[in-house]
Amino acid sequence: AQTVTQSQPEMSVQEAETVTLSCTYDTSESDYYLFWYKQPPSRQMILVIRQEAYKQQNATENRFSVNFQKAAKSFSLKISDSQLGDAAMYFCAYRSASGGATNKLIFGTGTLLAVQP
Amino acid sequence: DAGVIQSPRHEVTEMGQEVTLRCKPISGHDYLFWYRQTMMRGLELLIYFNNNVPIDDSGMPEDRFSAKMPNASFSTLKIQPSEPRDSAVYFCARGRQWTSSEPQYFGPGTRLLVL
Repeated sequence: AQTVTQSQPEMSVQEAETVTLSCTYDTSESDYYLFWYKQPPSRQMILVIRQEAYKQQNATENRFSVNFQKAAKSFSLKISDSQLGDAAMYFCAYRSASGGATNKLIFGTGTLLAVQP
Repeated sequence: DAGVIQSPRHEVTEMGQEVTLRCKPISGHDYLFWYRQTMMRGLELLIYFNNNVPIDDSGMPEDRFSAKMPNASFSTLKIQPSEPRDSAVYFCARGRQWTSSEPQYFGPGTRLLVL
């Protein structure tokens, strides 16, 4: 079974600085998708960024980018120019691309990010 | 806006009562998911539907939980009878075919407290 591990329960960053959140996963599959979701205090789950495993190029969305290392099964999230609104819980998630009964997201335990003014 | 409406947003009930959570996804998505989030267990999938048919309900904790999707724009999650350990935030999410990287889009959640 696939698992997702986020080893940093909490992180802190100064406003305007850069922070990297770690995520590792375990799978025997070669084709899958990876996601980062943000959950602010409102509890809404918001998609931050996604990555297809077959793509070597790291995904980027404005100030958010990932470092995807397939061989190492690592999928870290980098937030540049951190803003107060980035303060939230961040979840890494895995989804198989093989279909069938594996269309569910498997989540890590989350990293709580604090942004200091 | 994730295109998923959940109601109620907050629910407080007493142990033993029936609780019904509702989800209205916008049309055009084949998949509908119910998740539960607790401090102890994190985010866990309870059940998901494809074209209104339940596909995987292995995450449903016990017989007290049931879910239905009578049409593409409406789903319910029912707990009967409710227990204090059911207190959690329940999310509904929509998605398309699994062959793409299109993510699941989550509703705002229902915060359930069972006293």
